[in-house]
Amino acid sequence: GQQLNQSPQSMFIQEGEDVSMNCTSSSIFNTWLWYKQDPGEGPVLLIALYKAGELTSNGRLTAQFGITRKDSFLNISASIPSDVGIYFCAGHNTGNQFYFGTGTSLTVIP
Amino acid sequence: KAGVTQTPRYLIKTRGQQVTLSCSPISGHRSVSWYQQTPGQGLQFLFEYFSETQRNKGNFPGRFSGRQFSNSRSEMNVSTLELGDSALYLCASSLLDRGSTKTQYFGPGTRLLVL
Repeated sequence: GQQLNQSPQSMFIQEGEDVSMNCTSSSIFNTWLWYKQDPGEGPVLLIALYKAGELTSNGRLTAQFGITRKDSFLNISASIPSDVGIYFCAGHNTGNQFYFGTGTSLTVIP
Repeated sequence: KAGVTQTPRYLIKTRGQQVTLSCSPISGHRSVSWYQQTPGQGLQFLFEYFSETQRNKGNFPGRFSGRQFSNSRSEMNVSTLELGDSALYLCASSLLDRGSTKTQYFGPGTRLLVL
């Protein structure tokens, strides 16, 4: 199935730094979701976006729904060790299926 | 509200056997989707059920099947297991709203190991 282009694939950052990752698609989406997954666990929903241009925050996390509806980004400010994990984007269009990014693996060095 | 629950959490089977995994969605959610996650392939969509009907199907062989009950609980079955079926199987539930956008919530997954 279709997978979204998510970058970067992995990041190694110092504690306290800001992080930015993004997802792009060749298709238009009506919904963008961002998830975090810890090893061996299911993805946990972080932020949901429903409108082009929408900017939504959840604590230190901020995500935006791109104006073209073909992209989205996630920022994490002032990273801490518990931010370690794999972050996924997901897009949903008028069909009934979600499409997922390939994931960004985040490592935070104390 | 309780989240999505999946049972069992871990399972070890041998090639040729079959397995049934269970998922209970969030109360009030009628859509249940199943995914297979492996390190090499990422999250792959298996199928989606809504009101006991399969509404969408991914590109998996017929050995993978599922069903949904009237209380929205869902099961997926894999017959004639192969080594390559070893994966984390994730269930996700969602609430279909008027705008047809929906937010999907995942369960903790069932880790299947095929020997």
